[in-house]
Amino acid sequence: GQNIDQPTEMTATEGAIVQINCTYQTSGFNGLFWYQQHAGEAPTFLSYNVLDGLEEKGRFSSFLSRSKGYSYLLLKELQMKDSASYLCAVEDSNYQLIWGAGTKLIIKP
Amino acid sequence: IAGITQAPTSQILAAGRRMTLRCTQDMRHNAMYWYRQDLGLGLRLIHYSNTAGTTGKGEVPDGYSVSRANTDDFPLTLASAVPSQTSVYFCASSPERGSGANVLTFGAGSRLTVL
Repeated sequence: GQNIDQPTEMTATEGAIVQINCTYQTSGFNGLFWYQQHAGEAPTFLSYNVLDGLEEKGRFSSFLSRSKGYSYLLLKELQMKDSASYLCAVEDSNYQLIWGAGTKLIIKP
Repeated sequence: IAGITQAPTSQILAAGRRMTLRCTQDMRHNAMYWYRQDLGLGLRLIHYSNTAGTTGKGEVPDGYSVSRANTDDFPLTLASAVPSQTSVYFCASSPERGSGANVLTFGAGSRLTVL
């Protein structure tokens, strides 16, 4: 079966750095996505990786290792507004998105 | 503002009733999707449409139907609601399914409670 694993919840301090991991087992691979979802709101797109390596976008970076079935989202200089759930999703060989359950990130002052 | 509009925002429904969740996008995206989101689970695809006039079944299609008469609208119908359909429903769209970097834009969601 297809599976996406990510931690259920993480806590970090304002101004610090946090890394959210995602491991996957899917039928084929056409790319990995990270979305942010604030409580009670819609998911919004953060990043896309299809090749191995690090993609940097401001305070957020996303890393992919296809051979290990592994990705992480790195958030730097954490702000209170970063408190949200972070969803990892993989597009399989049928172009269907397989979603993880999300990691709830709690930022403390 | 370009995006996706969903209605209703929330609804309480008696079991056995018929319900249609509306979804309209103004981005001229070809692909549209309906997901449900339940606590502790990832988003699960109910139905999708690659382009106007076509629809396909997702991971959890039973009890739901969709239509895509035009590019903009993609309603989701529950023919006879059951309590297990209590969930938050998200409509989403993307320029082209299967085109690489298939970024989804989501509507604000419809919270449905079936009693």
